Amino acid sequence: DTGVSQDPRHKITKRGQNVTFRCDPISEHNRLYWYRQTLGQGPEFLTYFQNEAQLEKSRLLSDRFSAERPKGSFSTLEIQRTEQGDSAMYLCASSPPAASYEQYFGPGTRLTVT
Amino acid sequence: ILNVEQSPQSLHVQEGDSTNFTCSFPSSNFYALHWYRWETAKSPEALFVMTLNGDEKKKGRISATLNTKEGYSYLYIKGSQPEDSATYLCAFSRFDKLIFGTGTRLQVFP
Repeated sequence: DTGVSQDPRHKITKRGQNVTFRCDPISEHNRLYWYRQTLGQGPEFLTYFQNEAQLEKSRLLSDRFSAERPKGSFSTLEIQRTEQGDSAMYLCASSPPAASYEQYFGPGTRLTVT
Repeated sequence: ILNVEQSPQSLHVQEGDSTNFTCSFPSSNFYALHWYRWETAKSPEALFVMTLNGDEKKKGRISATLNTKEGYSYLYIKGSQPEDSATYLCAFSRFDKLIFGTGTRLQVFP
């Protein structure tokens, strides 16, 4: 399968714990995006990378959130000291250099904070 | 504040019915409008990307139209099948990110 992959698919954690998600984009896609979808809402933009550079962060991304893409390939999204409000589906997408407006999504990581 | 609105929020139809959804978006500084289909436990799948006013695109039984001057797009499904059951999302390109509507959840009963 050559699509965007995300790991894990599901994560249940207790409030206050740290969690980390991984996204592997489509090979040779230079842009990588993170979105979050909460119940009843559409996906909301969190941040994006062009190669290894993080170019934009949403105000939704509090200080407890950090994203990295150290070698311009896979990316990680870490949430520290999780809160119940962090429960959501976290989606990753990537886009190719020649068509940056086309975004291909992974299946998401569903986070439940108890 | 940029808002993308979709209606209806949910729809239940019988197999064979045709249906359509609406997406409204800001008409200023338009760049592209996207439709995605998102089935449970799968990745959102891109259906269409439309960039020009008057664009009409078709993929099998699904088609979409775009009016950038008034800021709306329609998605049509002809002869709905149970496998069309999914959430249909539209998204507006704003610089380097997508701004999504809340989606239309379609359920097709056999």
